Amino acid sequence: DAGVTQSPTHLIKTRGQQVTLRCSPKSGHDTVSWYQQALGQGPQFIFQYYEEEERQRGNFPDRFSGHQFPNYSSELNVNALLLGDSALYLCASSAGDRGLSPLHFGNGTRLTVT
Amino acid sequence: QKEVEQDPGPLSVPEGAIVSLNCTYSNSAFQYFMWYRQYSRKGPELLMYTYSSGNKEDGRFTAQVDKSSKYISLFIRDSQPSDSATYLCAMSGSGGYNKLIFGAGTRLAVHP
Repeated sequence: DAGVTQSPTHLIKTRGQQVTLRCSPKSGHDTVSWYQQALGQGPQFIFQYYEEEERQRGNFPDRFSGHQFPNYSSELNVNALLLGDSALYLCASSAGDRGLSPLHFGNGTRLTVT
Repeated sequence: QKEVEQDPGPLSVPEGAIVSLNCTYSNSAFQYFMWYRQYSRKGPELLMYTYSSGNKEDGRFTAQVDKSSKYISLFIRDSQPSDSATYLCAMSGSGGYNKLIFGAGTRLAVHP
């Protein structure tokens, strides 16, 4: 039973560029959330997708956007990259959007912006 | 002041010791509480989750929630070197296990 899978594992981008990160949820899960984890910090909530719609959003600028596909997989897009966007980006999945089951995380994509 | 405070450690203990990890929080609306373990270069792994106050035990792990004091704890009995990791507490409000607020994590090292 595959857990949450994310790609790529690592990514290096230059300031001002755009990046797309991908996530496949755990089997049986239909809700995907994205978190940003800066070095030495806990993860911070970016947004949550359910039924192909953004349902909740954290305190992140519009440069951060996402998408969910009919097979429940998801993408996180970040435009106009800043040095401060360097972080581990974590995808988490759960069943349903009512929050009745805890989140399961993938191993993340480490993004470095130079 | 952060919504969730967690001592960053590092905490170093000998193998077999009982470990106590703690978080305090300021938002009285939090009802769902979780502990995650994160190994280096890996994502957070769910260890324990509880709703509201009380204790929950799973093998060597015990989670406690004291809502009156806004304080949660994770106890690890008979600690092993494989328990060496960063432990993250997380919590959320009426939305259930969604939109989690994390502590900064406590680094634990268990030495043989």
